[in-house]
Amino acid sequence: AQSVAQPEDQVNVAEGNPLTVKCTYSVSGNPYLFWYVQYPNRGLQFLLKYITGDNLVKGSYGFEAEFNKSQTSFHLKKPSALVSDSALYFCAVRANSGNTPLVFGKGTRLSVIA
Amino acid sequence: GAVVSQHPSWVICKSGTSVKIECRSLDFQATTMFWYRQFPKQSLMLMATSNEGSKATYEQGVEKDKFLINHASLTLSTLTVTSAHPEDSSFYICSARDLSQGAYEQYFGPGTRLTVT
Repeated sequence: AQSVAQPEDQVNVAEGNPLTVKCTYSVSGNPYLFWYVQYPNRGLQFLLKYITGDNLVKGSYGFEAEFNKSQTSFHLKKPSALVSDSALYFCAVRANSGNTPLVFGKGTRLSVIA
Repeated sequence: GAVVSQHPSWVICKSGTSVKIECRSLDFQATTMFWYRQFPKQSLMLMATSNEGSKATYEQGVEKDKFLINHASLTLSTLTVTSAHPEDSSFYICSARDLSQGAYEQYFGPGTRLTVT
């Protein structure tokens, strides 16, 4: 079975400071990993994904994430946070074999304070 | 890029009535569709998976007779909430995958907010 843990319900960071949103996963075999962002009353926006290759993945809006197989983690990072980054962030995983659906973490609310 | 649309974007209905939500893939063939629901301030929970032309596979705890899923074509899937009740009020999100383009991409619709009064 696949699962995702986002240990923090809320992350607060000052504008201009670096941010990290944590994610760990459990999957049989190798993972496909994704990050999405959701603004109020909106659908999901894709940020980035890890499929294979370089462990450091760069995505939209200056976000990046590092795949760490030994720690089964895929933390989302950004060097300098913006107030407009305030939103709900979801990490998702699926096994890289078969046609299985994405399984989502519970989400982390990021609040960037000016 | 691949686009998934949903209609309606929001709907209010009375308790006991049925509501149909449409999910369309606009520029690709959705060989597999997934339906999720999201309660306020919670995560997306998978309801069911459907492959075109086949019956949907429902997750444990999801009533298949209440949430009817049809995936009759490669560009359209529908979710019908039958005899809706206030506890069915939620944000419903569809997602589609085109197996011919590699199985790792999953594209999401904008969601439908259902309120049952």
